[in-house]
Amino acid sequence: DAGVIQSPRHEVTEMGQEVTLRCKPISGHNSLFWYRQTMMRGLELLIYFNNNVPIDDSGMPEDRFSAKMPNASFSTLKIQPSEPRDSAVYFCASTSGRSLYGYTFGSGTRLTVV
Amino acid sequence: GENVEQHPSTLSVQEGDSAVIKCTYSDSASNYFPWYKQELGKGPQLIIDIRSNVGEKKDQRIAVTLNKTAKHFSLHITETQPEDSAVYFCAASNGFNKFYFGSGTKLNVKP
Repeated sequence: DAGVIQSPRHEVTEMGQEVTLRCKPISGHNSLFWYRQTMMRGLELLIYFNNNVPIDDSGMPEDRFSAKMPNASFSTLKIQPSEPRDSAVYFCASTSGRSLYGYTFGSGTRLTVV
Repeated sequence: GENVEQHPSTLSVQEGDSAVIKCTYSDSASNYFPWYKQELGKGPQLIIDIRSNVGEKKDQRIAVTLNKTAKHFSLHITETQPEDSAVYFCAASNGFNKFYFGSGTKLNVKP
């Protein structure tokens, strides 16, 4: 099992550019989560999906952020346009929805917006 | 919604000593409490969890205790080793897959 796979590992972009982060959950997991981690705010849940359907996007900071899950094996988090305050580590996590299990996190994408 | 508070924010211990990290939660409906370890440059990794029908769970050098009445749970690491140095997060969930995380504890084990 390759675990949760995120790409890219690092992204440096200029303010105003579009950024797309990608995630492949563990096969068979039907819940997927996007988190943002900063020193100031810790781990923040941005959005999560059950069976490819967005369930709770109340953590998405503003309309510049959007997330999709077109199928069970792929999700994207897009920021357009990006701003310096979006700089953070973005984690994707997945879990089985059949019962309570801890998440499995990916290795994260470190985003720097200059 | 749920509010999880975690203490201390930093903890420094000598190798071989024990370390204790404490968390409190606010929602009495929470029934699942995982603990994560995050090493530098990596994602958080689940190390132990406990469900609300259990008061204590142990796995080698780590143990977690839960007091439902007081709404607090703790992580205990015995015989600490330098490789235990990391940031530890507690979390609480009410069973709907949405986890609420504590702010993290940076543990430093001095050799």
